[in-house]
Amino acid sequence: DGGITQSPKYLFRKEGQNVTLSCEQNLNHDAMYWYRQDPGQGLRLIYYSQIVNDFQKGDIAEGYSVSREKKESFPLTVTSAQKNPTAFYLCASSPDGYEQYFGPGTRLTVT
Amino acid sequence: AQKVTQAQTEISVVEKEDVTLDCVYETRDTTYYLFWYKQPPSGELVFLIRRNSFDEQNEISGRYSWNFQKSTSSFNFTITASQVVDSAVYFCALSEESNYQLIWGAGTKLIIKP
Repeated sequence: DGGITQSPKYLFRKEGQNVTLSCEQNLNHDAMYWYRQDPGQGLRLIYYSQIVNDFQKGDIAEGYSVSREKKESFPLTVTSAQKNPTAFYLCASSPDGYEQYFGPGTRLTVT
Repeated sequence: AQKVTQAQTEISVVEKEDVTLDCVYETRDTTYYLFWYKQPPSGELVFLIRRNSFDEQNEISGRYSWNFQKSTSSFNFTITASQVVDSAVYFCALSEESNYQLIWGAGTKLIIKP
């Protein structure tokens, strides 16, 4: 089955801790993206990567970091510098840089 | 500057009614792509359709249809004979050929009452 997986579905952390969200795809897509969604709001782009070993900041990259060492994987680290990390995080991939397909998301709660 | 406007924040209809979700976009590019996504309560975004700027042909897929009009910069989405399972937030998005990012509308929450 081809698709995008994000784990875990729910994640709880204490304030001050870094946390890494997983995103894996077996669609052979070059481009991958991370979005944040707050309750009742739209999507905001955190980081994106068009090719392995390269990534760019999106609109709200502060307090986040990513890596793209493998085509299939694009993990997102939410650092303690992110002031309001509690949110729904969505990962996506794209075959051509335009059309995007999404994973099921991870709901992060930081207390 | 590129922009996507979904003026309808929330729409509520009774099951079996037809409903149209509006999407208006702004772009300076001559080549661009428009998308609709569905986000059910589970949260995952589901890709519904992609329309290229050079193809103004309307699309129908079952109860779903899309009306793309470049003259009014609109890409509206109609659900015919709505069902409770259609309840979700629907997002319209724009991607320009020169920019590998999606510009998202704010979304329209659609509530279908039984």
